[in-house]
Amino acid sequence: QSALTQPASVSGSPGQSITISCTGTSSDVGGYNYVSWYQQHPGKAPKLMIFEVSNRPSGVSNRFSGSKSGNTASLTISGLQAEDEADYYCSSYTSSSTLYVVFGGGTKLTVL
Amino acid sequence: QITLKESGPTLVKPTQTLTLTCTFSGFSLTTTGVGVGWIRQPPGKALEWLALIYWNDDKRLSPSLKSRLTITKDTSRNQVVLTMTNMDPVDTATYYCVHRLGGGTFDYWGQGTLVTVSS
Repeated sequence: QSALTQPASVSGSPGQSITISCTGTSSDVGGYNYVSWYQQHPGKAPKLMIFEVSNRPSGVSNRFSGSKSGNTASLTISGLQAEDEADYYCSSYTSSSTLYVVFGGGTKLTVL
Repeated sequence: QITLKESGPTLVKPTQTLTLTCTFSGFSLTTTGVGVGWIRQPPGKALEWLALIYWNDDKRLSPSLKSRLTITKDTSRNQVVLTMTNMDPVDTATYYCVHRLGGGTFDYWGQGTLVTVSS
């Protein structure tokens, strides 16, 4: 069981917007602005899409945005495209015991 | 340009020790703030953070695996080595080497190496 809770799957049609949630605790998501989101296509390494809650690395489309409220972070993808179909993982810095970072269980995004 | 590449055995037997090497380029592990870590992913499952080593040799290990893990660095060779003892079939996974951006963020990932534990 992962430390952060994500929905197992979400879906949307091309052009639509979807949001993926990531729920933790005050020891991780709620306590730090170090939430990241990764995109993973089948057979590929994860790719950083959002860091520090809402920042996009250079080269990542502005269709991807992140936010946080309390112990829940969210990734929103607007203008869905077929290439967005992938698994998405959230992660957070944590002060739980000596753990450094925790991941969510992942969300499979299907573009209908 | 930052690159990382994992190397090591693809198959290990139960109870054996796994040794993985991460060879990187484009940055130095002597630079303040830099860190290199390991993350694994069992087939069809989620990512799991394992270990991190900093430029100053400070180390962080996953509490659930701490007794089995060792992480070291060789700055002259631009390498980080992860060892995991007493391997079990449940440790079958793709193991990724990662570059730490800051906080708990990893901005560059190796291609990953699949390690299968089987007799």
